[in-house]
Amino acid sequence: QVRLQESGPGQVRPSQTLSLTCTVSGGSISSGSYYWTWVRQPAGKGLEWIGRIYISGSTNYNPSLKSRVTISVDTSKNQFSLKLSSVTAADTAIYYCARASAMAYDYWGRGTLVTVSS
Amino acid sequence: EIVLTQSPDFQSVTPKENVTLTCRASQTIGSNLHWYQQKPDQSPKLLIKYASQSFSGVPARFSGSGSGTDFTLTINSLEAEDAATYSCHQSSSLPHSFGQGTKLEIK
Repeated sequence: QVRLQESGPGQVRPSQTLSLTCTVSGGSISSGSYYWTWVRQPAGKGLEWIGRIYISGSTNYNPSLKSRVTISVDTSKNQFSLKLSSVTAADTAIYYCARASAMAYDYWGRGTLVTVSS
Repeated sequence: EIVLTQSPDFQSVTPKENVTLTCRASQTIGSNLHWYQQKPDQSPKLLIKYASQSFSGVPARFSGSGSGTDFTLTINSLEAEDAATYSCHQSSSLPHSFGQGTKLEIK
C-alpha cells in the first residue's frame, strides 16, 4: 500500500522559507501517471491547493502563491518537496502531501503543522 | 478560479437518518468533482470520485450524483462513525479548488 509522510520544521520565522519533504513508500514515485500534490489547511478552515508536480518535472502552482512556491521531485529518494518563500503568519497551516490518481487525491500523508512565528 | 460553495456549513443528524450534502460550482465542471471525508486530526479520505464513482473500500451508504454545477453527496442510514467534515474538490481546471466543508454532527 502506498504511504506518504511529510517531514520538515514545525516552526518557521517570518520572511524565511518553509521547506517540506514528502516521502513516498510502498511504490515508486516514478511509476504510473500520477501528480504529486501539496495541499494546506489553516486551523478551522478549508483545504487550499498549493500545487503539483508530474514525474516529468512539469509543475502547476496556485496563482495566489505562484511567486513564492517551488515544488520539486527527487526520484532517487522517492520524494517530492515544497518550498514556500517569504512566509507570514497567514502561511501557518497543516500541510499535506497527496497523490492524484486521475485527478482525485487517493492517498494523503498525515499532515504536518507548520507555524510561522518569531 | 472555480469557487465551490457547500451547504449547509453544519448539520446535526441522528443515527440511521439519511442526509444529503450539496456542492455548487461557480462555473460548469462536468463530472470533475470529488468528495472527501475528514475526521478530527486526520487527513482527508477520498469517498467519491468523478461525481458518482465510489472509491475502493468506501461503504455503500455513501453515494454521489450531479454534473455541471450542482452536486450532492448522500449518506444513507448514518452511523456514529460518519461524524466528520465533508469537502468537495474540483479538478476541472487549474488551480484545483475545494469547498469550505460541511461539518456533520451525529446526535
